[in-house]
Amino acid sequence: KAGVTQTPRYLIKTRGQQVTLSCSPISGHRSVSWYQQTPGQGLQFLFEYFSETQRNKGNFPGRFSGRQFSNSRSEMNVSTLELGDSALYLCASSLENRIEQYFGPGTRLTVT
Amino acid sequence: EDKVVQSPLSLVVHEGDTVTLNCSYEVTNFRSLLWYKQEKKAPTFLFMLTSSGIEKKSGRLSSILDKKELFSILNITATQTGDSAIYLCAVEANRDDKIIFGKGTRLHILP
Repeated sequence: KAGVTQTPRYLIKTRGQQVTLSCSPISGHRSVSWYQQTPGQGLQFLFEYFSETQRNKGNFPGRFSGRQFSNSRSEMNVSTLELGDSALYLCASSLENRIEQYFGPGTRLTVT
Repeated sequence: EDKVVQSPLSLVVHEGDTVTLNCSYEVTNFRSLLWYKQEKKAPTFLFMLTSSGIEKKSGRLSSILDKKELFSILNITATQTGDSAIYLCAVEANRDDKIIFGKGTRLHILP
């Protein structure tokens, strides 16, 4: 069974731009969660989608948004990028809830 | 404010040693505690704990939860160089259905 895939793997953007990251969950998984990982803050929860609906959300500003499609693939968008948005963005999928999440390899975003 | 604190932040031991990693938490409406191992990029799931005093085991790894004292430990016996990784602890809460991660323990096993 193929694992969670994320594209792109690396991205360099400048301040003020926007970016869209993509995540394809494991086949049959309906829950997709997004996380931001930085050396200073560690791993922080962004939001979770289930059946195309945002089920819950972490403490991030509205510049961070996402969506989920009918095939469970999910996208995360960050608008008006700031230097502090440079991080590894991980997505994780699970069957129904966050029990036994499987993480993707991440997208390394660098904002200059 | 909800928080998850892991200790030590980093640990260096020799192959064959036994290590104990700690995770304490203050989270309202606790639901479960999860352990992950993160090597290169993506964390991989190790254990989920919901009940106190019930040890979960997987090979040389084991973990237990104490809901009265609000902590969990992850034990690794007969460590191998392949155990070198960051070990993350996370707590899920029923309120807001949120998940909070600790900063992790960076474990390095010397051959």
